[in-house]
Amino acid sequence: EVQLVESGGGLVQPGGSLRLSCAASGFTFSGYWMHWVRQGPGKGLVWVSRINSDGSSTTYADSVKGRFTISRDNARNTLYLQMNSLRAEDTAVYYCARDGLAPGYYWGQGTLVTVSS
Amino acid sequence: EIVLTQSPGTLSLSPGERATLSCRASQSVSSSYLAWYQQKPGQAPRLLIYGASSRATGIPDRFSGSGSGTDFTLTISRLEPEDFAVYYCQQYGSLPYTFGQGTKLEIK
Repeated sequence: EVQLVESGGGLVQPGGSLRLSCAASGFTFSGYWMHWVRQGPGKGLVWVSRINSDGSSTTYADSVKGRFTISRDNARNTLYLQMNSLRAEDTAVYYCARDGLAPGYYWGQGTLVTVSS
Repeated sequence: EIVLTQSPGTLSLSPGERATLSCRASQSVSSSYLAWYQQKPGQAPRLLIYGASSRATGIPDRFSGSGSGTDFTLTISRLEPEDFAVYYCQQYGSLPYTFGQGTKLEIK
């Protein structure tokens, strides 16, 4: 069974940093592209970033480019999102998702990031 | 960036009725790389349809997707109580991948 479990969310002050993790199991992690998608409170889904299967290629939404870094450790079956210079508008539930026949073939349960003073 | 506009914003129907949800793109979606997701309160989204018209594993055949180019449709042939949720379309043919704003399907 495919499982994606996010962690690392919490309350952080504006300008601060946070690193999210997504632990994967039930499939060959190194064989799939991975994504981060976020959802602000009461709002819709927003694609944030993607990384290819070996970590050599990354892409970001303009809203996070230069502030967020996606990475992965295929030996640990874990996806990361390093978030720096956080802003109030980054407040959201962050989901990791596994690619397949679509970017969101499988989803984790999400982790909440709140940026507030 | 491809902007996806979903309509209607809210759809009020009764169980057993047919639901038709629309997703219109600001420019052509490459190779029909259009997906539909269902999201219930407090839950992660679930993939329903990929490639505009292919059902994901385990999705009941009352869900169907159609369309190409800039106009796409999700149809639920006979609504079951568990189908009342928010539905999102997403294009993944061009970066950045984008979602529509969602259609809320509510019980009438």
